Amino acid sequence: DAGVTQSPTHLIKTRGQQVTLRCSPISGHKSVSWYQQVLGQGPQFIFQYYEKEERGRGNFPDRFSARQFPNYSSELNVNALLLGDSALYLCASSWMTGPKTQYFGPGTRLLVL
Amino acid sequence: KNEVEQSPQNLTAQEGEFITINCSYSVGISALHWLQQHPGGGIVSLFMLSSGKKKHGRLIATINIQEKHSSLHITASHPRDSAVYICAVMSGNTPLVFGKGTRLSVIA
Repeated sequence: DAGVTQSPTHLIKTRGQQVTLRCSPISGHKSVSWYQQVLGQGPQFIFQYYEKEERGRGNFPDRFSARQFPNYSSELNVNALLLGDSALYLCASSWMTGPKTQYFGPGTRLLVL
Repeated sequence: KNEVEQSPQNLTAQEGEFITINCSYSVGISALHWLQQHPGGGIVSLFMLSSGKKKHGRLIATINIQEKHSSLHITASHPRDSAVYICAVMSGNTPLVFGKGTRLSVIA
């Protein structure tokens, strides 16, 4: 079975632009979480979706939004990019919410110039 | 919010050494995860535990709920173990809270 996939793998944008990152969970997993990892830090929680509904949101501005599709894949959108949005964006899936093993994708590395 | 502290931040070991990485947290949890992150960025889940001890190959994870502390041990370390090891905790259905990670380098 394929693991969690993310696209694109790398992305370069300029300040003020908008970006969309994509995640496909492991088959059968209904929960998708997004994390931001700035260089040298641990990941920070951005969003969790389960059964197409937002189940949690981290301390991120409204420029960050996400959604989950009927096939459980997910998109993370970031508007009005700032230099500080440069980070590795990780997606993780699990079969449901709660204390379950999360399976991480390879991440999308975003550089904002 | 749970505060997660890891020690040491950086660790260099000779091949074959026994390695211990520590994680402490401030609030009671429902589960603790140990994760491995290689230089490319991808994260692999090593263990999820809520009590006691788990073993997988040369890796052992322990947790002491009363002391709010967990350890990850690597026996007979090998250069391929070089990575960043991250502790993350969950309370109920709250999102994972991560430590900053321990960067391990194992030298042949």
